Amino acid sequence: ETGVTQSPTHLIKTRGQQVTLRCSSQSGHNTVSWYQQALGQGPQFIFQYYREEENGRGNFPPRFSGLQFPNYSSELNVNALELDDSALYLCASSDRGRRAFFGQGTRLTVV
Amino acid sequence: GQQVMQIPQYQHVQEGEDFTTYCNSSTTLSNIQWYKQRPGGHPVFLIQLVKSGEVKKQKRLTFQFGEAKKNSSLHITATQTTDVGTYFCAGTGGATNKLIFGTGTLLAVQP
Repeated sequence: ETGVTQSPTHLIKTRGQQVTLRCSSQSGHNTVSWYQQALGQGPQFIFQYYREEENGRGNFPPRFSGLQFPNYSSELNVNALELDDSALYLCASSDRGRRAFFGQGTRLTVV
Repeated sequence: GQQVMQIPQYQHVQEGEDFTTYCNSSTTLSNIQWYKQRPGGHPVFLIQLVKSGEVKKQKRLTFQFGEAKKNSSLHITATQTTDVGTYFCAGTGGATNKLIFGTGTLLAVQP
């Protein structure tokens, strides 16, 4: 067990809807990163938060947004869902550049 | 942008045979990490290499980081069925310490 928990584990949404995914970081980790993993592909970096501020972003549109809270837990919000947003969403906490601890992921299906 | 490629994409071996996956980055990396992802699971950290030319071993697994810090390899000696999964390298570089994952190598081991 990594100590990183994500909720929910599975989710089905309709195209055009909005979704919020949640992540509780491992104790003591001040950095959280979010990844999107489509079936059969490697995780793609969405963005990273360090001490509540965005600290790097991948090639994802603005409808992907996030938050990090004072306790270092985090949310990923996706607006105007598209079918291609269907994927496993992974949260990883780390201590600035050190090994990343991944949660079990949220599998999002957009229909 | 930074890209990390892995070869091969897929490898099928008989139990007891050796296996190697290669990782190449388009840019110099600060460090390289290796992860294993079982089918239906999330990436699990295996190891981190930091120094140029570094070699580390974990039982039957040998990890190398290239002299130029742009490539890496993972070698498994005498594969077992428990080695099945997708192996990802992931590199960090730049100010954000974001992890860029490679494309992954799926290993299948036939008993």
